Amino acid sequence: DTAVSQTPKYLVTQMGNDKSIKCEQNLGHDTMYWYKQDSKKFLKIMFSYNNKELIINETVPNRFSPKSPDKAHLNLHINSLELGDSAVYFCASSQRGNGELFFGEGSRLTVL
Amino acid sequence: GNSVTQMEGPVTLSEEAFLTINCTYTATGYPSLFWYVQYPGEGLQLLLKATKADDKGSNKGFEATYRKETTSFHLEKGSVQVSDSAVYFCALSEGGGNKLTFGTGTQLKVEL
Repeated sequence: DTAVSQTPKYLVTQMGNDKSIKCEQNLGHDTMYWYKQDSKKFLKIMFSYNNKELIINETVPNRFSPKSPDKAHLNLHINSLELGDSAVYFCASSQRGNGELFFGEGSRLTVL
Repeated sequence: GNSVTQMEGPVTLSEEAFLTINCTYTATGYPSLFWYVQYPGEGLQLLLKATKADDKGSNKGFEATYRKETTSFHLEKGSVQVSDSAVYFCALSEGGGNKLTFGTGTQLKVEL
C-alpha cells in the first residue's frame, strides 16, 4: 500500500504541450505539497494545500495550476510546457504544522 | 529569509568509516530542524528531526544535535554501510511547519 502515489512516473513530451500529474495520499493527512527538484537535486516548494485550500503559492509561472478536489488528492496541470520545466516533481503530504513530510516517488518530466 | 547551507558532495567513504555531513542554518525565529534522505530513484524520507535547542534527533544509527549557538545541525553516523549511499538533505521549518526550506543536498557514496 503506497502512502503517497503519483502518476505518471515518467512523462516525455514536446514543448508547447499541456500535461497533468496526479497525486493521492492514503495517510489521512490534511496538507499536500508539490515540490520541484532540478537536475542538481535542488528542491523548491511550489504549492501547498490544506483541506483543499491553497496556503502556499510560491513564485511559479501561471502555466502551473494545482487543483485539490479533496484533501487526499492534489493534481498539477502544466500548460504550454517549456524546456526549463524538465525536472522531477514530487508530491508530499503531512499533518499541518509538524514539518514531517511523506513524499511520493516523483514524476520525471522531460520536455523536448 | 530562511536558508540552509550544507557541505558540497559527493562524500565518498569506505564501509565502517565515520560520517559527518555539516549543516548550518539562518532563521529569524526558532525553527524545527530535519534531515531527509533520498535513495536512488525514490522520494525523500524523513530520517530524523529536532524541534528545540540541544535536542538530539536519532534514527538508524544517525544522529544530529540542534545547536542554537552555532546555528548548526550536523549529521553523524559512527559506522556507515554501503546501503547508506544516498543524498542527504538538511531542512528547517518555521512558524507552523508547513513550509520546509531545504539545503542543496549532499550525496554520500559508501564503498566496500
